[in-house]
Amino acid sequence: NAGVTQTPKFQVLKTGQSMTLQCAQDMNHEYMSWYRQDPGMGLRLIHYSVGAGITDQGEVPNGYNVSRSTTEDFPLRLLSAAPSQTSVYFCASSPVLGGLNEQFFGPGTRLTVL
Amino acid sequence: AQSVTQLDSQVPVFEEAPVELRCNYSSSVSVYLFWYVQYPNQGLQLLLKYLSGSTLVKGINGFEAEFNKSQTSFHLRKPSVHISDTAEYFCAVSVDYKYIFGTGTRLKVLA
Repeated sequence: NAGVTQTPKFQVLKTGQSMTLQCAQDMNHEYMSWYRQDPGMGLRLIHYSVGAGITDQGEVPNGYNVSRSTTEDFPLRLLSAAPSQTSVYFCASSPVLGGLNEQFFGPGTRLTVL
Repeated sequence: AQSVTQLDSQVPVFEEAPVELRCNYSSSVSVYLFWYVQYPNQGLQLLLKYLSGSTLVKGINGFEAEFNKSQTSFHLRKPSVHISDTAEYFCAVSVDYKYIFGTGTRLKVLA
């Protein structure tokens, strides 16, 4: 199993550009989520999904869109990039609904918005 | 609302010394508790978790944590650290479908 994969590893955008961060998992996990990690702020939940076709907002959803058309994929879209979105983005997945299970994290995407 | 507080942003400790990383949480309902470790330029990986039962939980790499319900704490300990333990450590709680992370503690092990 590849686990959770994220592409790209690094990305530089100009203000106003849009892009999609890709996330895929091959563990047949129902729960997937996106976090951003900023110095001194830990991980903050952007959006999450409890299954294909079902998504919901986390703590910091503004400026981001998600969709979940398949169990495997959970892309994160930046609609119009802003310097405040410079961060490291992590995708994570978990086997089933609920909090009993650990999350499995991808290696992250380091995004810089100029 | 649930929250997680990691009181120390950085903890320097000499090699082979013991270490405790502190974590307190607030929640009006039962929670599940986790500690994750992040090595430089990597994603997070699970160290240990508390779901129920014994309040002393043992994890990987010699780490353990104790759940204290009355003090709403879940401190992480290791009796003797190694240089390779240098990393950032995150405490997290899980309530419903959401995980809430603390701000992290950077453990730096000194030779």
